[in-house]
Amino acid sequence: GQQLNQSPQSMFIQEGEDVSMNCTSSSIFNTWLWYKQDPGEGPVLLIALYKAGELTSNGRLTAQFGITRKDSFLNISASIPSDVGIYFCAGQTSTGANNLFFGTGTRLTVIP
Amino acid sequence: KAGVTQTPRYLIKTRGQQVTLSCSPISGHRSVSWYQQTPGQGLQFLFEYFSETQRNKGNFPGRFSGRQFSNSRSEMNVSTLELGDSALYLCASSLRLEPVSPLHFGNGTRLTVT
Repeated sequence: GQQLNQSPQSMFIQEGEDVSMNCTSSSIFNTWLWYKQDPGEGPVLLIALYKAGELTSNGRLTAQFGITRKDSFLNISASIPSDVGIYFCAGQTSTGANNLFFGTGTRLTVIP
Repeated sequence: KAGVTQTPRYLIKTRGQQVTLSCSPISGHRSVSWYQQTPGQGLQFLFEYFSETQRNKGNFPGRFSGRQFSNSRSEMNVSTLELGDSALYLCASSLRLEPVSPLHFGNGTRLTVT
């Protein structure tokens, strides 16, 4: 299946710093999604992107759907301790189907 | 509005047994998908159901099966369990298939096979 390369694999940052992570694919996606997963819980949807070039914000989070439709990035501004967790990108390739291809995840640690 | 509910949260089974996991989607959501999450393989798509019909299937052996009921609730079954089936099994629901709508996940069932 499609492979999504997500980087970095892990990040250690000071509280208040900005964070950037990205996802690239060899295939084109019609939709990009960003999820956050806390220990013992399922992934929680953060941002959904539906159009190439789209830039969407959700509070301190901003994500963009790459023009080529093969990449996306997520930025977190002014990080806080509760931002700790694993962030996953996910892509959907076709309409009429909800199977997602997930990235390998970025583990974020915020140091107070 | 209640989220996606999965039961049970934890299961311990032995090799060769079978297991059934249950998922109740968000009210009004008609599509239910199942994913397997392991440290080595990450999140992998198992199958998707919409209106009681399997619409998509991932690359898993036939030991993995599922079904969806008229109220959109779904179950997945794994027969002849193997040690490698130990994983977090996640259910996700979405409103529809077209136009595509985001998936919302439950907290999963953690299956341990001994």
